[in-house]
Amino acid sequence: GAVVSQHPSWVICKSGTSVKIECRSLDFQATTMFWYRQFPKQSLMLMATSNEGSKATYEQGVEKDKFLINHASLTLSTLTVTSAHPEDSSFYICSARTDRQETQYFGPGTRLLVL
Amino acid sequence: SQELEQSPQSLIVQEGKNLTINCTSSKTLYGLYWYKQKYGEGLIFLMMLQKGGEEKSHEKITAKLDEKKQQSSLHITASQPSHAGIYLCGADRAGGTSYGKLTFGQGTILTVHP
Repeated sequence: GAVVSQHPSWVICKSGTSVKIECRSLDFQATTMFWYRQFPKQSLMLMATSNEGSKATYEQGVEKDKFLINHASLTLSTLTVTSAHPEDSSFYICSARTDRQETQYFGPGTRLLVL
Repeated sequence: SQELEQSPQSLIVQEGKNLTINCTSSKTLYGLYWYKQKYGEGLIFLMMLQKGGEEKSHEKITAKLDEKKQQSSLHITASQPSHAGIYLCGADRAGGTSYGKLTFGQGTILTVHP
């Protein structure tokens, strides 16, 4: 149980294009999903918190207009990197949890490379 | 803001040896998580600790949270190559009222030589 998937697992795009990453909880309903970013050889940095049916809350320094988050259902959250630039290249990981459990379960991550 | 310091930053051991990874917080820990990550992959949940003095074990991995709730240790007994990876500690922010927002340590890279 408690499986979280991400799609795609990796993506290469041209600078200026937008990229959508999906995060799904496969066997539980996730009231809250989190999006993290991880640069090479660094730890995870929380970008935003996504609650089903409401607007995402962003961490300080994260541009909400650049990283659009939509938590449309209890099993799906999407992160759209708009007008991607090479500095957005990173490893993006989502996690999900329910209100009744404190443990967060992480997806396998999406590697984004912007050329 | 809360900061987590992990030590050592990297560790190389021979198969069969025991090892310990530490996670020290600048503030009281209200929820401490241990995860394992293979490079370029997602995080695998290992254990969560909440109470001071709490200790949990799973297979050959034991995690403890000290009484003062500012330090946790992860101990692996008789390490195997399958234990190799990056171990991350994560903590709930802001006294447990942050509803799951985690701050992570920088990670400990474990290499186990057969």
